[in-house]
Amino acid sequence: AQSVTQLDSHVSVSEGTPVLLRCNYSSSYSPSLFWYVQHPNKGLQLLLKYTSAATLVKGINGFEAEFKKSETSFHLTKPSAHMSDAAEYFCVVANQAGTALIFGKGTTLSVSS
Amino acid sequence: DTEVTQTPKHLVMGMTNKKSLKCEQHMGHRAMYWYKQKAKKPPELMFVYSYEKLSINESVPSRFSPECPNSSLLNLHLHALQPEDSALYLCASSQGTLLATSTDTQYFGPGTRLTVL
Repeated sequence: AQSVTQLDSHVSVSEGTPVLLRCNYSSSYSPSLFWYVQHPNKGLQLLLKYTSAATLVKGINGFEAEFKKSETSFHLTKPSAHMSDAAEYFCVVANQAGTALIFGKGTTLSVSS
Repeated sequence: DTEVTQTPKHLVMGMTNKKSLKCEQHMGHRAMYWYKQKAKKPPELMFVYSYEKLSINESVPSRFSPECPNSSLLNLHLHALQPEDSALYLCASSQGTLLATSTDTQYFGPGTRLTVL
């Protein structure tokens, strides 16, 4: 069965410093992977997705993620954090049939000034 | 326009009430979803509708009853809920149920915050 594991439940950074949110996946097939962001009391917004094209995926708001098959990882990065990046981030994999999404437990990103 | 709208934004109901949550999208999507999200947890899939037919029911109690009257609308009828059903209910839509392809993406609404007293 496919699954994702977010390695950190909480990450704290200072404004202007790099962001790294870690995600490992487990899948018996070539997975489709996503990062979604959820700001407090809001719905989920798609940041980026990987579907077996380029391994380095660029998303919105300066975020990017790199698919590394050898490490079964799909870590999310941003060169410079902004206060508005403070939110909950979910790493997500589509099931093999493509009919549903499977969510990781989430990582809370805090950004201090 | 990649917008999914949900009404109401907030709902407070008693355990004997009957209420409905509504979700609408005008992107021409043919798949729609209901999720339940408890505080500090990831969303949990409840139902999937594909081409207006229920395709996935994740063993949700019968006090939750989904309805898809047309391709743009998705309702969730609530009856005899329990306090533990209090949560954020998220609706989502996608072009089809091919989420593993590069052309399909699931878009989420802002949610309805439900409180059951």
